Amino acid sequence: EVQLVQSGAEVKKPGESLKISCKGSGYSFTSYWIGWVRQMPGKGLEWMGIIYPGDSDTRYSPSFQGQVTISADKSISTAYLQWSSLKASDTAMYYCARWVVVAGRAYFDYWGQGTLVTVSS
Amino acid sequence: DIQMTQSPSSLSASVGDRVTITCQASQDISNYLNWYQQKPGKAPKLLIYDASNLETGVPSRFSGSGSGTDFTFTISSLQPEDIATYYCQQYDNLAFGGGTKVEIK
Repeated sequence: EVQLVQSGAEVKKPGESLKISCKGSGYSFTSYWIGWVRQMPGKGLEWMGIIYPGDSDTRYSPSFQGQVTISADKSISTAYLQWSSLKASDTAMYYCARWVVVAGRAYFDYWGQGTLVTVSS
Repeated sequence: DIQMTQSPSSLSASVGDRVTITCQASQDISNYLNWYQQKPGKAPKLLIYDASNLETGVPSRFSGSGSGTDFTFTISSLQPEDIATYYCQQYDNLAFGGGTKVEIK
């Protein structure tokens, strides 16, 4: 069974750093892209970026380029999303999801449970 | 960047009603469009890919159509368990539409 399990909720202060994780199981972790999606309170879904754990090829949404860093450790089937200096506006639910690209089609088919990040002084 | 405009932003319908949501792309995206359902407090779920292909296990009352710039998502007979927010997503640059919140009247 394919599963993506995310790390737990975080409460941080502005200016602090943070790294959240997404562990994949039940499939070949290095053969599928993993994406990160932000959902601010009461708002819609925003694609942040995707990474291919097989070779660490990473693509960012222009809206998030330079704001976050996406990485992966294929030895432990885990993808990461990190911030070097959090802002209150980073308060949101963050989802990881598997991005399938096959036969000309592409979609997020499995999703993690979400990690709630709260940034407040 | 390709922009996705989804409408309406919310709707209220009765059980058994036919519900239609539209998604318009700012340029031709062929059939590169997905639809997701997000129930309150839950992660999104893929319903339709390639504009009209139903994901395995998704009830047949859900359907999608369109190509180019104009797409439609339909629930043929709204059920109480369909209360959710629905999002389109084009997979050229992975952008999502703004979402449509569906409520029961």
